[in-house]
Amino acid sequence: AQTVTQSQPEMSVQEAETVTLSCTYDTSESDYYLFWYKQPPSRQMILVIRQEAYKQQNATENRFSVNFQKAAKSFSLKISDSQLGDAAMYFCAYWQGSNYKLTFGKGTLLTVNP
Amino acid sequence: GAVVSQHPSWVICKSGTSVKIECRSLDFQATTMFWYRQFPKQSLMLMATSNEGSKATYEQGVEKDKFLINHASLTLSTLTVTSAHPEDSSFYICSVWTGVTNEQFFGPGTRLTVL
Repeated sequence: AQTVTQSQPEMSVQEAETVTLSCTYDTSESDYYLFWYKQPPSRQMILVIRQEAYKQQNATENRFSVNFQKAAKSFSLKISDSQLGDAAMYFCAYWQGSNYKLTFGKGTLLTVNP
Repeated sequence: GAVVSQHPSWVICKSGTSVKIECRSLDFQATTMFWYRQFPKQSLMLMATSNEGSKATYEQGVEKDKFLINHASLTLSTLTVTSAHPEDSSFYICSVWTGVTNEQFFGPGTRLTVL
């Protein structure tokens, strides 16, 4: 079974600084997708960024970028120029087409200090 | 993407009563929807996969007779918590799988409190 591990229950960053959230996963599949979701206090799940495993290039979305290391099964999220609105719970998630299910990590609570 | 709504956003009920939560896909015909449960400060746990026109597929450990799922149309899936008890109090979230980008789009969630 696929597992997703987020080893950092909590992280904090100063406003305007950069922070990296870690995620590792376990799979025997070669074709899959990885996602980072953000859950602010409103609890609405928001997609931050996605990465297709077959793509070598790391995905970027404005201030958000990933470091995807397929061989190491690592998928970290880098947030640059952190803003107060980035404060949220961040979930790493794995998707593979055999069952259409998302497997979530336990989450990392990010605090942004002014 | 898909816009997903849930109703109600918050419900309080007495122990022993049943509660129905609606999940609507507003701009996408969804053959597959998912229901999750989230306890405070925890991750999302998949409860079941809802398939339009067929029976839902429940995850191991989820009581299908307690959590009734009906996906009668391409835009609506309902979750009914039958004979609710305080331990059923949780945050319930639905999502829509579009199959286009393999993303899931989530509803805003429903907070259930059972007294």
